Amino acid sequence: EDQVTQSPEALRLQEGESSSLNCSYTVSGLRGLFWYRQDPGKGPEFLFTLYSAGEEKEKERLKATLTKKESFLHITAPKPEDSATYLCAVQAGSSASKIIFGSGTRLSIRP
Amino acid sequence: SAVISQKPSRDICQRGTSLTIQCQVDSQVTMMFWYRQQPGQSLTLIATANQGSEATYESGFVIDKFPISRPNLTFSTLTVSNMSPEDSSIYLCSALLAGAYEQYFGPGTRLTVT
Repeated sequence: EDQVTQSPEALRLQEGESSSLNCSYTVSGLRGLFWYRQDPGKGPEFLFTLYSAGEEKEKERLKATLTKKESFLHITAPKPEDSATYLCAVQAGSSASKIIFGSGTRLSIRP
Repeated sequence: SAVISQKPSRDICQRGTSLTIQCQVDSQVTMMFWYRQQPGQSLTLIATANQGSEATYESGFVIDKFPISRPNLTFSTLTVSNMSPEDSSIYLCSALLAGAYEQYFGPGTRLTVT
């Protein structure tokens, strides 16, 4: 069964303290892995798509990487406005465009 | 990318009634989806809204409870029927653009059933 697991569930950092969020997955034939940001009371905001192991993508203080078993979202020198829930999702080759979401990591950045 | 709007943004409904949520996309998309997100939890796919045909429902979700329409390429509705307090949740629609794998989401509809 296709599965996505995110860790940690919650992470509290001081402003400027870099860290990484983990997304491990087991799917039959990965078609794409997605990272989203979700602020309270809003819909998920698309950040990145990764397609194959070794791929990396960057946007401001965020960098996403992908291996054959997991993805990391690295946050460098975070600011309070980076506080949000970060969701990982995967699309398997057999899923006909359906994506499966992980449970998310709630990130809180203290000033 | 796509801009997706939903109506209403929130509602408080009584047990036993029904609510229809509308989703409008600003461009033509290949697929549209409906999700449910319960407080503090992740997203669960309810169904894929197929244009001009019946929606495809995920396990645990049935058409009688969650009828879905998609009359054209940019618009879909989800009805939550015969509501109970367990239906209190955020309902999100999403869309998939041609040639893309990532889905774009609407702002959500927060439903409270009393």
